[in-house]
Amino acid sequence: EVQLVESGGGLIQPGGSLRLSCAASGFTVSNNYMNWVRQTPGKGLEWLSVIYIDGTTFYADSVKGRFTISRDSSKNTLYLQMNNLRAEDTALYYCARAPVGVIEYFLHWGRGTLVTVSP
Amino acid sequence: DIQMSQSPSTLSASVGDRVTITCRASQSISPWLAWYQQNPGKAPKLLIYKASTLEGGVPSRFSASGSGAEFTLTISSLQPDDFATYHCQQYKSYPWTFGQGTKVEIK
Repeated sequence: EVQLVESGGGLIQPGGSLRLSCAASGFTVSNNYMNWVRQTPGKGLEWLSVIYIDGTTFYADSVKGRFTISRDSSKNTLYLQMNNLRAEDTALYYCARAPVGVIEYFLHWGRGTLVTVSP
Repeated sequence: DIQMSQSPSTLSASVGDRVTITCRASQSISPWLAWYQQNPGKAPKLLIYKASTLEGGVPSRFSASGSGAEFTLTISSLQPDDFATYHCQQYKSYPWTFGQGTKVEIK
């Protein structure tokens, strides 16, 4: 059974850093297209980043240069390093896996980890 | 970026009703559109991809259609589990973008 479990969220001051983790089971992270998506009550769902099987990465403009997606094959875990956090980064962060052989939409989701950026 | 908008934002309906949600893109994206259902406190669930293809295990009361920049999701007979928020997502080009969501609530 495919499972994704996010962790690492919390309360952080503006300008601070956090690293989110997404532990996967039931499949191999490095053999799939993996994404981070966040959700806020006001803006809805926002795609943030994808990492391809070959390691290529793409980012939304809102996080480019501040967030970095990566993975650790030995831990079968996806990461999102978030630097220079802003109040508008406050959201529930999901990791999401695309279907096998697909890049662009999301079949499996974790339950999310909440990030709150506030003084 | 491709902007996505959904209408209505909220829809009140009863069990057994037929409901339709519309998703419009700021440019042609056909057929690169997905639909998700999200129940309160849960992650989104993929319902439809490639504008009209039902994901495996999704009940046949869900259907979707559309082309160009206008798409619809239809639930033929609302069931209690269907009271949820529905999101569309374009994947024609980066950044992939979502509509703001349509909440289907009990009348």
